[in-house]
Amino acid sequence: EVQLVESGGGLVQPGGSLRLSCAASGFTLSSYCMSWVRQAPGKGLEWVANIKQDGSEKYYVDSVKGRFTISRDNAKNSLYLQMNSLRAEDTAVFYCAGSCPPRYWGQGTLVTVSS
Amino acid sequence: QSVLTQPPSASGTPGQRVTISCSGSSSNIGINSVNWYQQLPGTAPKLLIYSNNQGPSGVPDRFSGSKSGTSASLAISGLQSEDEADYYCAAWDDSLDGVVFGGGTKLTVL
Repeated sequence: EVQLVESGGGLVQPGGSLRLSCAASGFTLSSYCMSWVRQAPGKGLEWVANIKQDGSEKYYVDSVKGRFTISRDNAKNSLYLQMNSLRAEDTAVFYCAGSCPPRYWGQGTLVTVSS
Repeated sequence: QSVLTQPPSASGTPGQRVTISCSGSSSNIGINSVNWYQQLPGTAPKLLIYSNNQGPSGVPDRFSGSKSGTSASLAISGLQSEDEADYYCAAWDDSLDGVVFGGGTKLTVL
């Protein structure tokens, strides 16, 4: 059974940083393009970033370019999202998603940016 | 504003067939396949349809998908109360090099 488990969310002040992690099991991460998708409270799904299978190509939605960095460690079957200079509008549930567009989803981790 | 366009709401009575549309462009739906997701309140999205019309194992065959040109549709037949949820379409976009989503459709079972 495929499992994607996110961690690292929490409450952070504006301008702060967080690093999200996603651990995969029952799933060979290296075979898939991976994405982070977020959902602000009461809003729809928004693609944030994706990374190709070997990590050679990374793409971001305009609103996070220069602030967020997606990375992966295929040996550890893990995906990451480093988030810097966080803003109130980044408050959302962040989902780790396998395949592009996603076929597999984690349960999500809540990021709250507030003073 | 989402890149893919969905109606914000849809409704039907138990047993009815409902259809949800998803409109895109030549850089996304026009050249790439479409996935559909169901999201129940407080839960993660669940894959309903992939590659336009393929159903993952475990998804009832009441759910079906189709694509024509730059638009796609999700059909739900034999509507049930547990189908009340938000539904999203998604596709890869070659211009953005990213995934684009529809804004979501809230389905109400009357």
